[in-house]
Amino acid sequence: EIVLTQSPGTLSLSPGERATLSCRASQSVTSSYLTWYQQRPGQAPRLLIYGASSRATGIPDRFSGSGSGTDFTLTISRLEPEDFAVYYCQQYGSSTWTFGQGTKVEIK
Amino acid sequence: QVQLVQSGAEVKKPGASVKVSCKASGYTFTNYYIHWVRQAPGQGLEWMGFINPNGGSTTYAQKFQGRVTMTRDTSTSTVYMELSSLRSEDTALYYCARGSRDGYKTFEYWGQGTLVTVSS
Repeated sequence: EIVLTQSPGTLSLSPGERATLSCRASQSVTSSYLTWYQQRPGQAPRLLIYGASSRATGIPDRFSGSGSGTDFTLTISRLEPEDFAVYYCQQYGSSTWTFGQGTKVEIK
Repeated sequence: QVQLVQSGAEVKKPGASVKVSCKASGYTFTNYYIHWVRQAPGQGLEWMGFINPNGGSTTYAQKFQGRVTMTRDTSTSTVYMELSSLRSEDTALYYCARGSRDGYKTFEYWGQGTLVTVSS
């Protein structure tokens, strides 16, 4: 089973700052199958980025994804108040899906 | 619009079973897999498995094999997830989510979650 490790665990930033979140896989992941979700407090996760770099419908362009192989990155170019949330990466392989443990982006 | 509406919160004793439902609407039920994902209090997301409503075939995460059963009722567009031999560690918010068909293996739509509390 592929293990996804996200870092940092918590990111303390101010509105307007840039956030860079990392997702590292224990084995190579097919880029098409690397996904990012956002989860705000008290809400279900929301699809953010699919195929490592494509924004889901309605996701603002301040969100971007990149990476390949075992290293993937989610970048939020300028944090808005509604972006303070927990972010999860997810991968699919061999009929199994796994999630990273999440990165919390909190207001500094 | 696509909606997944889950059943209400449950409180169960250790050793018991729980059955959570997920009613789909706004799309052709049999065209999309339904996944189950759980989230323990203050913890991350854990994939449990999925069911293909077209035929009812299932795939379960190894961790839950033997304890989880996913079924569907096409007449009501409802998927069920039953977890047996409950223990305190099963206390969590259980989500159903619709899988995508575009080849990217994402979970596009999510239910609101069902809190299952296991306590003696």
